[in-house]
Amino acid sequence: GQNIDQPTEMTATEGAIVQINCTYQTSGFNGLFWYQQHAGEAPTFLSYNVLDGLEEKGRFSSFLSRSKGYSYLLLKELQMKDSASYLCAVRDSNYQLIWGAGTKLIIKP
Amino acid sequence: GAVVSQHPSRVICKSGTSVKIECRSLDFQATTMFWYRQFPKKSLMLMATSNEGSKATYEQGVEKDKFLINHASLTLSTLTVTSAHPEDSSFYICSARDPVAGENSPLHFGNGTRLTVT
Repeated sequence: GQNIDQPTEMTATEGAIVQINCTYQTSGFNGLFWYQQHAGEAPTFLSYNVLDGLEEKGRFSSFLSRSKGYSYLLLKELQMKDSASYLCAVRDSNYQLIWGAGTKLIIKP
Repeated sequence: GAVVSQHPSRVICKSGTSVKIECRSLDFQATTMFWYRQFPKKSLMLMATSNEGSKATYEQGVEKDKFLINHASLTLSTLTVTSAHPEDSSFYICSARDPVAGENSPLHFGNGTRLTVT
């Protein structure tokens, strides 16, 4: 079966750096997405990786290793507004999106 | 960027009634829209894929007679929860991808509808 694993919850301090990991086993691979979702709101797109390596976008970076079935989202200079759930999603060979359960990130002052 | 509008954001209804949720793509034409359901602290669950001008494709376990989907135009898809029951209470989110932006473009989500059935 298809599976995406990410930690359920993480805690970090304002101003620090946090890395949220995502591992996947899917039938085929056509890209990996990271979304941010604040409580009670819809997800918003953060990043997309289809080739191995690091994609940097301001305070957020996302890394992909296709051979290891692994990605991480790196958040720098954490702000209180970064408290949210972070969803990892993989597009399989049929271009279907497989969603992880999300990682709830709690930022403490 | 691409914008998806969803209405209403919250609705409370009585058991047995029907509720219609609208999803509009505001600045692009979407031949396909996706309807998701999300339970508290759970991931997104794809319910169905809405196809403009044809029948929706439902995921396994989703009752098509209960969750009616209509995609009558390139910018509007509707989800009607018929004969609602308390167990239908959930967060429903629609999404679409701008086809002009290519296959690698991300899904854009509506703001979601919080349905509470009493």
